This record gives sequence, C-alpha cells and structure tokens, in this order.
Amino acid sequence: GQNIDQPTEMTATEGAIVQINCTYQTSGFNGLFWYQQHAGEAPTFLSYNVLDGLEEKGRFSSFLSRSKGYSYLLLKELQMKDSASYLCAEVDSNYQLIWGAGTKLIIKP
Amino acid sequence: IAGITQAPTSQILAAGRRMTLRCTQDMRHNAMYWYRQDLGLGLRLIHYSNTAGTTGKGEVPDGYSVSRANTDDFPLTLASAVPSQTSVYFCASSDSTSGPYNEQFFGPGTRLTVL
Repeated sequence: GQNIDQPTEMTATEGAIVQINCTYQTSGFNGLFWYQQHAGEAPTFLSYNVLDGLEEKGRFSSFLSRSKGYSYLLLKELQMKDSASYLCAEVDSNYQLIWGAGTKLIIKP
Repeated sequence: IAGITQAPTSQILAAGRRMTLRCTQDMRHNAMYWYRQDLGLGLRLIHYSNTAGTTGKGEVPDGYSVSRANTDDFPLTLASAVPSQTSVYFCASSDSTSGPYNEQFFGPGTRLTVL
C-alpha cells in the first residue's frame, strides 16, 4: 500500500508475545483495520480502531495513536495457528481501505 | 450460499483471451470490491461498487471492467488478458451504510495465471 508501512516479516516463539507495528498517513483518516490472512486463504477481520487507545479482544489487542499515525497489533500466548500474514488497512477520506503489504508472522516451537 | 463465493478457484489463461471472474454474495451488502494481491504489494483495489447500478475505478483499473446489475453479483472481466494480470483476485463486500466502519468480507479468491 502506498501510504501504509509495516514490517515484511517477523519471527516469534510459541507462547510468547509479539507486537506488529503499522504507520500510516494521518490526512483524511477514518479508522484502521487489522486483518489476518493464512497462506492461500482470504483475509479475515481482526479489529477496528477509530479512537486512541487499546482495544482488547481475547489474545489479540490493537492500539491506535491518531496524532502519531501509528497502530500496533499485539498477540499474546502465541500459538502455532497464529502463523499468518497480518494486514493493516487505513480507512481513507472516501471510506475506502488502503492496505499495507502485510507482515508475515512465523511462529517457532 | 454462505457469504461470498468466487469462481473459478484457479485458471490458466492464454494472453489475449477474454476472461470473466465471478463473484456472488448473499449478505445483501450494498458495496462490493475487486482486489488483486501480488507478493510484496498487498491488496490493490481494481474496481468497486457502492450500490447496484453504480461502479467506480480503484487504484489499478486498467485492463479490467465490472458491472453491477443486481445486489448479489459483481463480475470482473479481463477483455484481453496480459501476463502482468497474473495474480490472486479477491472479491469483497461490505455494508457501506455503516459509514467509516467499512468491514469488508472476502471471498476465497481466484488464482489467475496468464501465459
């Protein structure tokens, strides 16, 4: 995505915690989504943030700072099934989604 | 049908041939989208439709056309395929009446190879 930056790949250990960062351009911002995509499958919704702060949903949490143009996805108690790509997407001024290239997360035993 | 379906699942196509990728949703969502996903580039919007009877161009519309005759169906046509259109194509839909909360639901994708 032209306005979204996230790391290409990360590696973490089963049972550990990992934080995946995403930065975006702040003009015309209307919210930020995180999606999970397993290899060969469709993206599926994880979270949506439009206000500053942390949204917790089970083992997954998502944080947003609008003034910094920054979000992160926090995954706790990692499981092997969490191995996937994590896509950050900004909602622009036209309510369209602008997608990052995704972060491939590799979980090792 | 539950959610969004796409057909075919995969296709190998000779350059210059015409191809239509099919997409059907049963959630009565107003908005539908076509994306292509290429390694390292993420999802890029090809065309979209905010409601039946209307369509719009996305980030990479050249070489593609769409139609939205009814709420459920949103076919994507490649008039004359070229090798650079080799990609995985995802159709998505959303209930756009909810404003900025534009959660999109994705079909399983079509893997297209143009030789």
